[in-house]
Amino acid sequence: AQKVTQAQTEISVVEKEDVTLDCVYETRDTTYYLFWYKQPPSGELVFLIRRNSFDEQNEISGRYSWNFQKSTSSFNFTITASQVVDSAVYFCALMDSNYQLIWGAGTKLIIKP
Amino acid sequence: SQTIHQWPATLVQPVGSPLSLECTVEGTSNPNLYWYRQAAGRGLQLLFYSVGIGQISSEVPQNLSASRPQDRQFILSSKKLLLSDSGFYLCAWSPIGGGISAFFGQGTRLTVV
Repeated sequence: AQKVTQAQTEISVVEKEDVTLDCVYETRDTTYYLFWYKQPPSGELVFLIRRNSFDEQNEISGRYSWNFQKSTSSFNFTITASQVVDSAVYFCALMDSNYQLIWGAGTKLIIKP
Repeated sequence: SQTIHQWPATLVQPVGSPLSLECTVEGTSNPNLYWYRQAAGRGLQLLFYSVGIGQISSEVPQNLSASRPQDRQFILSSKKLLLSDSGFYLCAWSPIGGGISAFFGQGTRLTVV
């Protein structure tokens, strides 16, 4: 079965702390894509990153970094030196071989000043 | 560049009234189009997707329907709204074949009273 699990429902940290959002997926496909989206209080979904199943290279973009490990079927997202503006709900998603997006339930991140 | 427009941003409708939410995409041809619903505090649920004009696939049996009268127009409708239809509705598009990312509209917050 295709599934995305974000076990952390809510995380609360103090500003400037590092925080990691977990994402574990299940798929029978050998070719797939993984995504992270940010949903701020305004509601709009903001695309953050895409990773295909053949590219396990970790990626860093400013304070954001992603750790993709096929061996554990995980695609975790780390925010370094968190800021209040990072407060949002973050979604992990899997695009399967039929190009359908399967979503995790989301993790609500609260950054306290 | 591609843009996606979704309206209205908010809507309050009485139970039993009809619904029509519209989504249009600019700057691309033959996109895949999607309607998602996000119930309060929950993840995203795929309602409908379309790979072409007049081609609609439904993921979840429900009180809603979708139509794609033009290549870049996707409409979500209901003949009679239920209280349970309340939620945040998001339209999204991705390049033909599903491609590599899905991009979202700003969403419509529907409250059925």
